[in-house]
Amino acid sequence: AQRVTQPEKLLSVFKGAPVELKCNYSYSGSPELFWYVQYSRQRLQLLLRHISRESIKGFTADLNKGETSFHLKKPFAQEEDSAMYYCALSGFGNQFYFGTGTSLTVIP
Amino acid sequence: NAGVTQTPKFQVLKTGQSMTLQCAQDMNHEYMSWYRQDPGMGLRLIHYSVGAGITDQGEVPNGYNVSRSTTEDFPLRLLSAAPSQTSVYFCASSYSHNSPLHFGNGTRLTVT
Repeated sequence: AQRVTQPEKLLSVFKGAPVELKCNYSYSGSPELFWYVQYSRQRLQLLLRHISRESIKGFTADLNKGETSFHLKKPFAQEEDSAMYYCALSGFGNQFYFGTGTSLTVIP
Repeated sequence: NAGVTQTPKFQVLKTGQSMTLQCAQDMNHEYMSWYRQDPGMGLRLIHYSVGAGITDQGEVPNGYNVSRSTTEDFPLRLLSAAPSQTSVYFCASSYSHNSPLHFGNGTRLTVT
């Protein structure tokens, strides 16, 4: 079965501090992994995907197949990073599976 | 290019009523899907379609029907609304099943 786990529902960090949003997955295959973000009063949008290996808005995420993790990291949090973050997995079967989300608050 | 458009934005229904949530995309995407977003549950897939004329069930399909007569449109029908269907509904589309999803603005549905 495909599962995505985000263990933290709420996460607060101070501006300028490092932030890490955890994501673990279970999947018997080679998944595509994504991070989506939903800013206040905006639609869900793609933040990054593992296959691109790029940094978006200072965020990076590394796929660790051994630990089956895809944690999202940023070295210096900004107030505008406050949002809801969802980890998602796409695999065989034409379906996306989302985690329960982590609400990030960056304290000024 | 409007992307993914959902209507209505808000809806209140009484138990037993039926309604259709509309979703349209103008990006010529083959893959379209419906999710519901509930507190503590994340986004759960209701139904999806990999192309016109093809639909399939997701994780939580009961109480919902879909059809895909054109590439652009993917309406979601509630046949007999129940309070358990109170939720925020999102439509999404993508080029293929493992390409990044493009989301609509969502429909907030309340069933009393």
